Amino acid sequence: DTGVSQDPRHKITKRGQNVTFRCDPISEHNRLYWYRQTLGQGPEFLTYFQNEAQLEKSRLLSDRFSAERPKGSFSTLEIQRTEQGDSAMYLCASSLARTGEKFTGELFFGEGSRLTVL
Amino acid sequence: GESVGLHLPTLSVQEGDNSIINCAYSNSASDYFIWYKQESGKGPQFIIDIRSNMDKRQGQRVTVLLNKTVKHLSLQIAATQPGDSAVYFCAENTGGFKTIFGAGTRLFVKA
Repeated sequence: DTGVSQDPRHKITKRGQNVTFRCDPISEHNRLYWYRQTLGQGPEFLTYFQNEAQLEKSRLLSDRFSAERPKGSFSTLEIQRTEQGDSAMYLCASSLARTGEKFTGELFFGEGSRLTVL
Repeated sequence: GESVGLHLPTLSVQEGDNSIINCAYSNSASDYFIWYKQESGKGPQFIIDIRSNMDKRQGQRVTVLLNKTVKHLSLQIAATQPGDSAVYFCAENTGGFKTIFGAGTRLFVKA
């Protein structure tokens, strides 16, 4: 399967612990996005990378959240000092933007990493 | 501000009938509108998109209609099948990198 893969699929942690999620996008895709989805809601934009550059962060991304894409391939999303309100599905998506293209159309999503904070 | 919403949280249709899922948006600057399907335990899957300079676009068994006058978007699914059961999200994009999703409509297909 050459789609977007996320790891782990499920994570249960205690409040105050740190967690890290990994996303491997489709190999030729230069854009990578992180979204958060809570039950019954649509995905909420968190952050976006063009290659290795993080170009925007949502106000939802507090100081406890950090995302990286060091080599422009896989990405990690770390949440420090987790809170119960962080419990959600964290979705990663990727897309291919051609030179000068802004809207890339389809986002290819992974199956998500579900976080439960006790 | 930017927001995308849906008229109905759930829709139940008989197998073989046509389904219509509606969506309202508020950002006049949105240039692209997209429909995604999300099955249980999976990430959203792209269905179809439409640019703001169009009012209709057809795909395989799906049609998206855009009415910019009333800021309304709809997804029509022809001959609905059990495999169409899922949550459907409309989303909008202002021609950049950020796609904003609505809350979703759950479609139930009765056999």
